[in-house]
Amino acid sequence: DVKVTQSSRYLVKRTGEKVFLECVQDMDHENMFWYRQDPGLGLRLIYFSYDVKMKEKGDIPEGYSVSREKKERFSLILESASTNQTSMYLCASSLGGLLNTEAFFGQGTRLTVV
Amino acid sequence: AQTVTQSQPEMSVQEAETVTLSCTYDTSESDYYLFWYKQPPSRQMILVIRQEAYKQQNATENRFSVNFQKAAKSFSLKISDSQLGDAAMYFCAYFRGEKLTFGTGTRLTIIP
Repeated sequence: DVKVTQSSRYLVKRTGEKVFLECVQDMDHENMFWYRQDPGLGLRLIYFSYDVKMKEKGDIPEGYSVSREKKERFSLILESASTNQTSMYLCASSLGGLLNTEAFFGQGTRLTVV
Repeated sequence: AQTVTQSQPEMSVQEAETVTLSCTYDTSESDYYLFWYKQPPSRQMILVIRQEAYKQQNATENRFSVNFQKAAKSFSLKISDSQLGDAAMYFCAYFRGEKLTFGTGTRLTIIP
């Protein structure tokens, strides 16, 4: 079974703190994604990566950055956390290529910024 | 940019009955994939069903089936013989070019 693991299930941080959300997948997937999920807005793509050290902005990248130094790990960074970044964050990975489109998700990190 | 619209924020169905969840999308592409994902209270996203746009035949997975209307850009999910375990948020998603775009979701309640 593919496993996508997010480092924390719940996280509380203070405004202005630098926050790291970590995601690790164990199936040698090419693609990795970070989404945030908010009620009534669904899942919105923040960033994705299709290879090591490669990244692409999603639909809402402002206030976030990412790092992919190793294939299995994709980190989301909030440089200076703000209260409007309180949300559920979901990481996903997929094998890549037109025939391998299924995305596998982690269990999410509920981040509260106070 | 592609958009995915789910116009039903909430739906409910009696146990053992059939329910249909709606999804429309906007794209100028002819080759893409569509998905329905389920998110139960555990928060784990689970793939329910997948449809390749080049296939005319509607996908089915046990009690789950889709009605894919490519010209109308419509992709609805039918759940037959609804069970209590089907209660969840359901998300429609569009995939092309390594990017997966989701709708806003439909919360499905099963009435015993």
